[in-house]
Order: sequence, then C-alpha cells, then structure tokens
Amino acid sequence: EAGVAQSPRYKIIEKRQSVAFWCNPISGHATLYWYQQILGQGPKLLIQFQNNGVVDDSQLPKDRFSAERLKGVDSTLKIQPAKLEDSAVYLCASSFLKVSYNEQFFGPGTRLTVL
Amino acid sequence: SQQGEGDPQALSIQEGENATMNCSYKTSINNLQWYRQNSGRGLVHLILIRSNEREKHSGRLRVTLDTSKKSSSLLITASRAADTASYFCATGGGSSNTGKLIFGQGTTLQVKP
Repeated sequence: EAGVAQSPRYKIIEKRQSVAFWCNPISGHATLYWYQQILGQGPKLLIQFQNNGVVDDSQLPKDRFSAERLKGVDSTLKIQPAKLEDSAVYLCASSFLKVSYNEQFFGPGTRLTVL
Repeated sequence: SQQGEGDPQALSIQEGENATMNCSYKTSINNLQWYRQNSGRGLVHLILIRSNEREKHSGRLRVTLDTSKKSSSLLITASRAADTASYFCATGGGSSNTGKLIFGQGTTLQVKP
C-alpha cells in the first residue's frame, strides 16, 4: 500500500515569510498527526486530527501556525510568519485508530530552513 | 512536552555485537513504543510493549519495561550495518488515550562493518 506522502521535501525561506506543507495520509486512516522535529531531538506533536476535527493542538503555536484537514483526508500545515527557531523537519503521520497502541505511519518529512 | 534523554545519546559498536539503549519517561502510560529513524526510510515503528508487560521480543529486538522506574530498554542482538540509525522511544496513553505519543530524545547508533 502507498505510504504517507508529504511535499515539498525541502524548503528554504527567510524569516517573516510564510510557508505551507502538504500531507496525504494512508488511505482509510482517520487519524492524522503533524510533528515538529528539531535537529537532535525527538518529534514533538503539534496537532492531531480525527477525520476533519482537531483532537489535540495544545502544543501548536497558534499565533503563527495553523493546520486544516477540510475533507478528512489531506492536510496542510502553515507557518506565518516564520521565525528562525521554526527550522526543523515537519513530519506527518497517520493511523487507522485514534488510540496510542495503534501504529503510526510516518511520511518522509519536510525539512524547513529559515534564514 | 518531551520525555527524558536517550541513554546513551550516542553508541558506536562493531557489526555482530549487541546494542542496548535506554529511555526514561515521566508520565503514566498504557504502552511504550520504539521507533527507528534513518535518512533512507524516515521514522519506522519497531515494537510496542503494553504497561502490563515486562518483556517483549520481535526478531533481533528485545524490549523491557519497568513501570516502577518509568524506564525501558531496547536490545538489538547481532547488530548489522543496516541497523545504523537513531532510535526513539515514545509513550502513549495515560489518563487520556487519544493516540498522542510523547517521544524521547533518542539514541544514535552506529554499527561499523
């Protein structure tokens, strides 16, 4: 089966610019996650969707980050305006069930560099 | 929030040797998972152990869980060059089992041929 798709794979922008990332989860997976992984650290959950509803966005910096999953399939994550500390890899993951013992499948990530 | 640091943060061994890495966590859990990350395949799920289990095996992997110490270890036996990667533990569950995972800082493993 096809895995989680993400684009773009790499993005370089200047601070204060905006950027958007796209994710297409595995077909049939109702739960979608966006993680931020700073170099040398483990992934940190930014937002979790169940279909097109938000389950957890407690660690999303809502003054600059936004995410949507309008039709319960694809999702976009936006940063506006970007800061230097947003340089990281942004990972999208999906799972069939909304429970933690259900395996999460990760996409290849988008590496963002903010200059 | 993040879990504790990987222990060790970096590990270098020869092919054929065993590799042991540890992780600690802070919150109550109902399961702990280990993931591997390398540049070629991204982040991949390896094994899950539930909070009522103490040990689990999968191929060359052995995971232990000590909930009283809030710690887990991952043992890779007979390591191969292809095992070179970063390994992360992630905890799930607790009071609200929404699917959220909290990842540790990870251990970088280098296996020399």
